[in-house]
Amino acid sequence: EVLLVQSAVELKKPGDSLRISCEASGYGFSIYWISWVRQMPGKGLEWMGAIFPADSDTRYSPSFQGQVTISADKSVRVASLQWNSLKASDTAIYYCARTWGSDSYHMDVWGKGTTVIVSS
Amino acid sequence: VMTQSPATLSLSPGEGATLSCKASQSVRKNLAWYQQKPGQAPRLLIYGASTRATGIPARFSGSGSGTEFTLTISNLQSEDFAVYYCQQYDNWPPLTFGGGTKVEIK
Repeated sequence: EVLLVQSAVELKKPGDSLRISCEASGYGFSIYWISWVRQMPGKGLEWMGAIFPADSDTRYSPSFQGQVTISADKSVRVASLQWNSLKASDTAIYYCARTWGSDSYHMDVWGKGTTVIVSS
Repeated sequence: VMTQSPATLSLSPGEGATLSCKASQSVRKNLAWYQQKPGQAPRLLIYGASTRATGIPARFSGSGSGTEFTLTISNLQSEDFAVYYCQQYDNWPPLTFGGGTKVEIK
């Protein structure tokens, strides 16, 4: 079974750093992109960026470039999303999703999401 | 920019639903549809504008190309009441989602 496992909840203060992870199993981790998607409370889906674990090729949405860092460790089949200094406006659910390549960049397997709450 | 309409669709079980997604420039057939239920992650329904993903019932169908796309749900079941998003992948980054259409019980 193809699975993406994410931690459930992270409670942080403004200014804190944070790394959330997405552990993949059941498929060839290196040969699919992993996307990160934000969903703010009561809002729609926003694509943040994606990484191709085989060579760490990383693409960012202009809206998130410089705000977060996406990385992957293919040896342990984990993709990560990192912030250096959180803001209250980073409060959201963050999903990782397996993303196909070869000019068909749809997302066919999703993690359950990590809820990040940033509050003083 | 991906624009979905209507924002909300109020229908009864057994009825059909027609959801629209329009792109500000041609995305050819590089479009996917997702379903999201409250408290759950999105689920892929359709990719390539019209290809159903694995395990998706035949009552879900997608059509269109270029700038105009439609997701049709025939014979709405109780489990189909959810929010639906389109997503283009013709020219990335970024991959972009529409704002969503909520299909609610009338």
